[in-house]
Amino acid sequence: GAVVSQHPSWVICKSGTSVKIECRSLDFQATTMFWYRQFPKQSLMLMATSNEGSKATYEQGVEKDKFLINHASLTLSTLTVTSAHPEDSSFYICSAREENRASDVSEQYFGPGTRLTVT
Amino acid sequence: GQNIDQPTEMTATEGAIVQINCTYQTSGFNGLFWYQQHAGEAPTFLSYNVLDGLEEKGRFSSFLSRSKGYSYLLLKELQMKDSASYLCAVLDSNYQLIWGAGTKLIIKP
Repeated sequence: GAVVSQHPSWVICKSGTSVKIECRSLDFQATTMFWYRQFPKQSLMLMATSNEGSKATYEQGVEKDKFLINHASLTLSTLTVTSAHPEDSSFYICSAREENRASDVSEQYFGPGTRLTVT
Repeated sequence: GQNIDQPTEMTATEGAIVQINCTYQTSGFNGLFWYQQHAGEAPTFLSYNVLDGLEEKGRFSSFLSRSKGYSYLLLKELQMKDSASYLCAVLDSNYQLIWGAGTKLIIKP
């Protein structure tokens, strides 16, 4: 099956610093990747939809200048949390949809997630 | 607005059967997913329904009624490892996934 990886798995950083999270589709090309955030005991919240070669589409309430998304290739999307604060501490999960598989809408694969703790 | 409702928490006994319900109101419908999520891990795909009826896959089955905006996930022969959160999600008219808050399933010996 298709595999999506994320790096790092967990990160601890100081308030005010920036953190970059990578999401890679290992054995398929993904024109669309999604970034989610999940706080404890809550469901996934879609932050943004990342399309290869174009600007990401952010959900309402998500600051695009704070959460920078780059999808420079069909296998890599990055999320950079700039000037992180303790309230940004969360579980960040990416998912990828395989290219040219729009007819098979079930083909969305999740990465293992990145746990960010901002001290 | 778009809304997906599922119970917050359920408890069941090892070896028993449990049914987790999900009701939805969304702008358009392109299918309903069930995911399993263990604490601290990403969701894993369980099932996808787009037509009415029951889809069976081993110990897990998923049912959909589009006219009622209703689905359920049925877990048989419960095992301790089934203790997890179960997330219901609907693909709306824009092919965006709308997520429920999840049902935490606790399995007791």
